[in-house]
Amino acid sequence: GENVEQHPSTLSVQEGDSAVIKCTYSDSASNYFPWYKQELGKRPQLIIDIRSNVGEKKDQRIAVTLNKTAKHFSLHITETQPEDSAVYFCAGGTTSYDKVIFGPGTSLSVIP
Amino acid sequence: DADVTQTPRNRITKTGKRIMLECSQTKGHDRMYWYRQDPGLGLRLIYYSFDVKDINKGEISDGYSVSRQAQAKFSLSLESAIPNQTALYFCATSRTRGSQYFGPGTRLTVL
Repeated sequence: GENVEQHPSTLSVQEGDSAVIKCTYSDSASNYFPWYKQELGKRPQLIIDIRSNVGEKKDQRIAVTLNKTAKHFSLHITETQPEDSAVYFCAGGTTSYDKVIFGPGTSLSVIP
Repeated sequence: DADVTQTPRNRITKTGKRIMLECSQTKGHDRMYWYRQDPGLGLRLIYYSFDVKDINKGEISDGYSVSRQAQAKFSLSLESAIPNQTALYFCATSRTRGSQYFGPGTRLTVL
């Protein structure tokens, strides 16, 4: 089955700097990679996703890249703000089954 | 607003007790999921259901059972709770080939 690894487990950046979180997956059949943000005490919420037919997707200050050959994908947050502080989860799966496996999470702290 | 709700939100129980966590949704989604969250381990899938007649085991189904009573309701049961089942439990829903929406979570403590 699918296995998703995520690094780093914790990340601290200064406000305004960029943050990068990297994930790797094991199942070459996976073609759907969502990212979730979980603020303290709240539910995970989808922030962006990418499917295997594209290599990059952007939404304002957030971008995801996907390298299917290397089986890794990354989340990039530019111009970080204190409200970006949260735990971020990557996940991998197949759109045909909508069952995704989550990585262990990255705790991002943005220091004002 | 269409949403995913979970009851109870917090529960403290004793070892050996049977407990049920309930999930309801008004999103009209076919697919429902149960996850548990532990620090440093992310979200692990317990069971999932693609429609009322479909139930599938996830990564960590041992010690748990589920019931899909209707399209909008999906319950998780712990037949005999044990302390290492102490965790935060999330229900989620999705459309076919859609992203998952999570409920607010149930914090379960087994003493």
